Amino acid sequence: DSGVTQTPKHLITATGQRVTLRCSPRSGDLSVYWYQQSLDQGLQFLIQYYNGEERAKGNILERFSAQQFPDLHSELNLSSLELGDSALYFCASSERGTANEKLFFGSGTQLSVL
Amino acid sequence: DQQVKQNSPSLSVQEGRISILNCDYTNSMFDYFLWYKKYPAEGPTFLISISSIKDKNEDGRFTVFLNKSAKHLSLHIVPSQPGDSAVYFCAASGISNFGNEKLTFGTGTRLTIIP
Repeated sequence: DSGVTQTPKHLITATGQRVTLRCSPRSGDLSVYWYQQSLDQGLQFLIQYYNGEERAKGNILERFSAQQFPDLHSELNLSSLELGDSALYFCASSERGTANEKLFFGSGTQLSVL
Repeated sequence: DQQVKQNSPSLSVQEGRISILNCDYTNSMFDYFLWYKKYPAEGPTFLISISSIKDKNEDGRFTVFLNKSAKHLSLHIVPSQPGDSAVYFCAASGISNFGNEKLTFGTGTRLTIIP
């Protein structure tokens, strides 16, 4: 158990809809990362937050947004969903948010857009 | 633009033999490298790392080798055990093409240990 909690584990929705994925980081970790893993793809970095502030941005679509709340949990919002958004979305956390830290991953949210 | 490449999607190795997983990178700004292991229905877990100032790091049955001139690293597992069957991701950190520091992952290699 990594200590990172992601909910829900599975999400099935239709094109055009909006969903929210939730992540609770490991106790004591200030930084949260979101990654997307599509079929046969590696983990694509989406966005990183540190103590409530956005720290780094990757290949995140404009239809996607995220935030980190004062209690340090994070939410990833995906809107106007398309079939291609179907993927496994991972949240990870680390203590200081520096690039050389090892990340602790949640078990992911499997999103299926039909 | 895949900056971290794992060209072998899968690898099968006999139990007790050595498993060698390879990873190539293109961004010379990467200065720290990590390997993560992922079982089905779980998130990746950290396995071992190496800084660019070293060429080898060992932790029990796992050794990572870094060849900076070739922009290549490899993970050696010896002896291989059935519990090592998993997907292995190579990752690199440093200044990305977006101008920030982040971890870039490869596409993974599925290792199967044959009893």
